[in-house]
Amino acid sequence: QVQLVQSGAEVKKPGASVKVSCQVSGYSLTKLSIHWVRQAPGGGLEWMGGFDPADGKTFYAQKFQGRVTMTEDTSTDTAYMELTSLSSEDTAVYYCATADLRPDTRGYYISCMDVWGEGTTVAVSS
Amino acid sequence: DIQMTQSPSPLSASVGDRVTITCRASQSINRYLNWYQHKEGRAPKLLIYAASTLQSGVSSRFSGSGSGTEFSLTISSLQPEDFATYYCQQSYSHPRTFGQGTKVEVK
Repeated sequence: QVQLVQSGAEVKKPGASVKVSCQVSGYSLTKLSIHWVRQAPGGGLEWMGGFDPADGKTFYAQKFQGRVTMTEDTSTDTAYMELTSLSSEDTAVYYCATADLRPDTRGYYISCMDVWGEGTTVAVSS
Repeated sequence: DIQMTQSPSPLSASVGDRVTITCRASQSINRYLNWYQHKEGRAPKLLIYAASTLQSGVSSRFSGSGSGTEFSLTISSLQPEDFATYYCQQSYSHPRTFGQGTKVEVK
């Protein structure tokens, strides 16, 4: 049973950076694809990026290009999401999730996020 | 980027109602469509993947249908624990965009 445990809440000043961790238990991180999603207050779910095994690389949403870096430490089975140049608009709950490939009835493989961390609150305020 | 648009938003309903949420993609995504349930303060939960396949452990009162650009999520008989926000998400291409969400609230 895969479980994701995220790091604790953070309070940051505008212009600072934040690095959120997501520790995997019950499975090896090397066999998983980790994605990151956030939800700002009053807003919806927003996909930030994640590793796509079909392409062998990490994709980032255009909105975060140049500000976000997603990395992994396989020795500790921990994934990280670092976001730089923070502003108040980055105040949100950040989730990590595993993206699994599931076959559909026609033999295609569909990526879906099936296991989620509990979320990490990041508040950006001066 | 593929835009995902949900309707209605919000949706007012009562326990026992049959409710349907619609999700439209800005271009064809075949059946690369997932549905999630999200409750305040909790992690999102995968309900349906590949447009119509029920995730293991999810109640059979949830069902999904559609392909191409039009999809729907139906709850056959709304239960108290179903009041939440529901999101569709496409996995056809990057970025993996979500719909804006449909909050199912008490009528």
